[in-house]
Amino acid sequence: SQTIHQWPATLVQPVGSPLSLECTVEGTSNPNLYWYRQAAGRGLQLLFYSVGIGQISSEVPQNLSASRPQDRQFILSSKKLLLSDSGFYLCAWSYSIGYEQYFGPGTRLTVT
Amino acid sequence: SQELEQSPQSLIVQEGKNLTINCTSSKTLYGLYWYKQKYGEGLIFLMMLQKGGEEKSHEKITAKLDEKKQQSSLHITASQPSHAGIYLCGADLGAGKSTFGDGTTLTVKP
Repeated sequence: SQTIHQWPATLVQPVGSPLSLECTVEGTSNPNLYWYRQAAGRGLQLLFYSVGIGQISSEVPQNLSASRPQDRQFILSSKKLLLSDSGFYLCAWSYSIGYEQYFGPGTRLTVT
Repeated sequence: SQELEQSPQSLIVQEGKNLTINCTSSKTLYGLYWYKQKYGEGLIFLMMLQKGGEEKSHEKITAKLDEKKQQSSLHITASQPSHAGIYLCGADLGAGKSTFGDGTTLTVKP
């Protein structure tokens, strides 16, 4: 069976510090991978998606970047965090375009 | 999200009552997905609808997609406390892009 992992579960970082959130998928190969941010009481905002290694599409101009160094690894990064980067970050995978997505447990990021 | 409108924003029902959540798009959808989320956790996939007029059920939850593929409803029959959570609709916009509604928070009072 397929599983998706995210870490860390929670993170408190000062403004201006770097960020690295990691997501890995097990039990499947060449998945589509997604990073979302969820603000309190709001839906999900798609940040990045990837259809293959090294292929990243950005949906929203922002202070964040994403990389896919391996087939089942997706990393969300920032060089300098802003207060507005606080939120709940979710990673997801799907078999292909048009298929349902399966979500990780999320990372709660608080920028202080 | 401006592309998917969910209503109501929140819902409080007595255990045993039926309820409906709606999801509307101004565009024709390639696919419509329903998810459930417990606060502070990831989303759990419930159902996917792709064809106009399609209807799917899982236990006491039924989802429908209208003929024009622009509106979907999620209906829960005889609600239970275990149904409580946030329900989100999501849509496939094509080319790998997706969008979600803002969610409906459901509270079921025992």
